[in-house]
Amino acid sequence: EDKVVQSPLSLVVHEGDTVTLNCSYEVTNFRSLLWYKQEKKAPTFLFMLTSSGIEKKSGRLSSILDKKELFSILNITATQTGDSAIYLCAVDFANAGGTSYGKLTFGQGTILTVHP
Amino acid sequence: KAGVTQTPRYLIKTRGQQVTLSCSPISGHRSVSWYQQTPGQGLQFLFEYFSETQRNKGNFPGRFSGRQFSNSRSEMNVSTLELGDSALYLCASSYRETNTEAFFGQGTRLTVV
Repeated sequence: EDKVVQSPLSLVVHEGDTVTLNCSYEVTNFRSLLWYKQEKKAPTFLFMLTSSGIEKKSGRLSSILDKKELFSILNITATQTGDSAIYLCAVDFANAGGTSYGKLTFGQGTILTVHP
Repeated sequence: KAGVTQTPRYLIKTRGQQVTLSCSPISGHRSVSWYQQTPGQGLQFLFEYFSETQRNKGNFPGRFSGRQFSNSRSEMNVSTLELGDSALYLCASSYRETNTEAFFGQGTRLTVV
């Protein structure tokens, strides 16, 4: 069965700290891995990763994928209280034809709390 | 560009009733997926529609159904509601043909009493 596991499940840090969130997966026919930030309701898209070793960056957030070891990390540097949220990792996998099944399998999420 | 719009935002229903939730995707997006989010189970896939066809379905009972219209808008229906159906129902849209970036709506909070 396809599985996505995130760690840690929760994390409490102080403003200015750097955090690393982990996501490992076991899926057949991997297509892409996505990171989302969920503050109240709608998960907000952060990154989509399809190739190993290529870092994606947006401001203080960055992410990288390792398709050999089947994991991804999300880094947040110089954390701010506004970074407090649930961070979700999801994997999309392909059918035999290489196209998406249209289903994202999510991890449990990491609850990040940033104190002032 | 307008985002994904879900209506209603909140809903309270009684056990045994049925409910219909609506999702309007981002303009140009043809794929709509539905997810159920609960504290215990996290985000779980319900089904996905593309060009009015259901392409994939999650492990939910037949009481959960959906459809997609020619304008890509989608509805989800839950019949014979149970207390355990109380959840946040999220809809996501994507272009799907060339990438899998999925964008979520604000969700509908369903409470079954």
